[in-house]
Amino acid sequence: GQQLNQSPQSMFIQEGEDVSMNCTSSSIFNTWLWYKQEPGEGPVLLIALYKAGELTSNGRLTAQFGITRKDSFLNISASIPSDVGIYFCAGRTNAGGTSYGKLTFGQGTILTVHP
Amino acid sequence: ETGVTQSPTHLIKTRGQQVTLRCSSQSGHNTVSWYQQALGQGPQFIFQYYREEENGRGNFPPRFSGLQFPNYSSELNVNALELDDSALYLCASSPPQGQGYGYTFGSGTRLTVV
Repeated sequence: GQQLNQSPQSMFIQEGEDVSMNCTSSSIFNTWLWYKQEPGEGPVLLIALYKAGELTSNGRLTAQFGITRKDSFLNISASIPSDVGIYFCAGRTNAGGTSYGKLTFGQGTILTVHP
Repeated sequence: ETGVTQSPTHLIKTRGQQVTLRCSSQSGHNTVSWYQQALGQGPQFIFQYYREEENGRGNFPPRFSGLQFPNYSSELNVNALELDDSALYLCASSPPQGQGYGYTFGSGTRLTVV
């Protein structure tokens, strides 16, 4: 099935460093979402973006909805050990009927933070 | 406010068997979606249920079917299990349209087909 192109696939960083990951698509999305998944758990929503060009922060996390509506990025500042996990981008089309609610996910970025 | 709960947490089945996975949606949420997450991959949309009817489906064969009940809980049924069906199955619920963003995911059911 279709997936978004998410990069990098994995990152190994030192505590305190900043992290940046991005997601691109050949399709336009009306909503971009960033999730974090930890072992044995389902994805947990970090940030939701609803408008092209929107820049939204949630604590140390900042995400932007690309102007073309085909890309998004997530930045994590001053990383800490509990940031470890898999980060997924997801796009959603808002069309009513059958498209409503379908999320298309990226392959994930595995983040490892060394203390 | 209770979140999305899924059962069972783990399951081992033999190829060719049938399986039923269950999901209780978050309070106030009326739409349920199911996703399949293979190891090392992002979740893939299977289908969505709204008002007890399927109203969106991903690229999955008909042997994947579901139900939604009047209390908005849902089941995912998979017939004639194949080895490639081994995955984490995630359920997500969302509120009525216009009542804010939802997509609360459960912790999933880990299905292993041997």
